[in-house]
Amino acid sequence: DVKVTQSSRYLVKRTGEKVFLECVQDMDHENMFWYRQDPGLGLRLIYFSYDVKMKEKGDIPEGYSVSREKKERFSLILESASTNQTSMYLCASSYGLYNSPLHFGNGTRLTVT
Amino acid sequence: AQSVSQHNHHVILSEAASLELGCNYSYGGTVNLFWYVQYPGQHLQLLLKYFSGDPLVKGIKGFEAEFIKSKFSFNLRKPSVQWSDTAEYFCAVNAGSGNTPLVFGKGTRLSVIA
Repeated sequence: DVKVTQSSRYLVKRTGEKVFLECVQDMDHENMFWYRQDPGLGLRLIYFSYDVKMKEKGDIPEGYSVSREKKERFSLILESASTNQTSMYLCASSYGLYNSPLHFGNGTRLTVT
Repeated sequence: AQSVSQHNHHVILSEAASLELGCNYSYGGTVNLFWYVQYPGQHLQLLLKYFSGDPLVKGIKGFEAEFIKSKFSFNLRKPSVQWSDTAEYFCAVNAGSGNTPLVFGKGTRLSVIA
């Protein structure tokens, strides 16, 4: 069974801090994604990656960056956390096929105070 | 750009009632369509998907969805809901050709009451 592991379930950070959210998948998936989930807004794509050292902006990349140094790991970085980045962050992975379903992690609930 | 509309924000049903959740997408070409479910406190998981063939697809836990190309719709159905179906349901779409990310709808929260 595919396992997508997000390093933290809950995080509380202060405004201005640099925040790292880590995600690891164990199925050799080519594709990895970061979404944020907010009530009433659904899932919105922040960044994605189709290969190691490759990254593409999603719909809401402002204030975020990503790193993919190894195939199994995809990190989301908040350079300077702000209160409007308080959200649930979801990592997902999939095979490199157009109709391959996403496999999600359990999410990291980030609160920025 | 692709977009997905889910018509109902919150649906409340009694057990054994029939369910239909609406999903419409905007994209003129070939699409891949998905329904995901998120049970309280759990991660999103795939209910069913459509990418070609029979437009009526069956998924897990008795769910099914019908792709109607002329209506740009992919509605989710279940003949008789159970309390355990209480969850949030997300419709998602991506272009049929090329490896493009999924675009999700805003979700529909289903509450099933005894």
